[in-house]
Amino acid sequence: DIQMTQSPSSLSASVGDRVTITCRASQAISNFLAWYQQKPGKVPKLLIYAASTLQSGVPSRFSGSGSGTDFTLTISSLQPEDVATYYCQKYYSAPWTFGQGTKVEIK
Amino acid sequence: EVYLVESGGGLVQPGGSLRLSCAASGFTFNTYAMTWVRQAPGKGLEWLSNISGGGDSTYYADSVKGRFTISRDNSKNTLYLQMNSLRAEDTAVYYCAKGRGYERGASEIWGQGTMVTVSS
Repeated sequence: DIQMTQSPSSLSASVGDRVTITCRASQAISNFLAWYQQKPGKVPKLLIYAASTLQSGVPSRFSGSGSGTDFTLTISSLQPEDVATYYCQKYYSAPWTFGQGTKVEIK
Repeated sequence: EVYLVESGGGLVQPGGSLRLSCAASGFTFNTYAMTWVRQAPGKGLEWLSNISGGGDSTYYADSVKGRFTISRDNSKNTLYLQMNSLRAEDTAVYYCAKGRGYERGASEIWGQGTMVTVSS
């Protein structure tokens, strides 16, 4: 099975900072990668699909890039409402594995 | 507007069974893949199972293969997860989600989740 490795597992940044989260697949998955945001006590929310396509209604400060095995989620200017855990997920083939998550906090 | 509402969670003894349901509305149900995902207390998301829009293709995580069965009734716009031989480690919030495509795709809409507790 293809493994998904996210890094870092947690980060603390100041409001306005640029934040980058990476996700690495153990084998190539083309662009079949999604990013989700889960705020504390809430349901996960789709942010990005096909590695770089922003889901409707998601703020433009979120962006995704990558293809093959290496992917990045970037928050261009961190806002207080972005405090959450972020997950990548591959959907190239079963199992549709999630990364272990990255917890983002405000410094 | 698209809605997914899970039901059927609760307390069950180890070795027992439970069937979860996910009622869908606001979209053409039989043209989208559906997914079950769970989250144990304080843990990350775990993909469990996927079913294509017509129900002809199903996929399972190794952790539930042979114990859980995903199905759908497109006439009732409802997704199911039959869970047998439940274990303590199956304790989690179970979410259903709508995929973006017929066969697979990112999960663009999620239900609110239903809690399953496996304990004696």
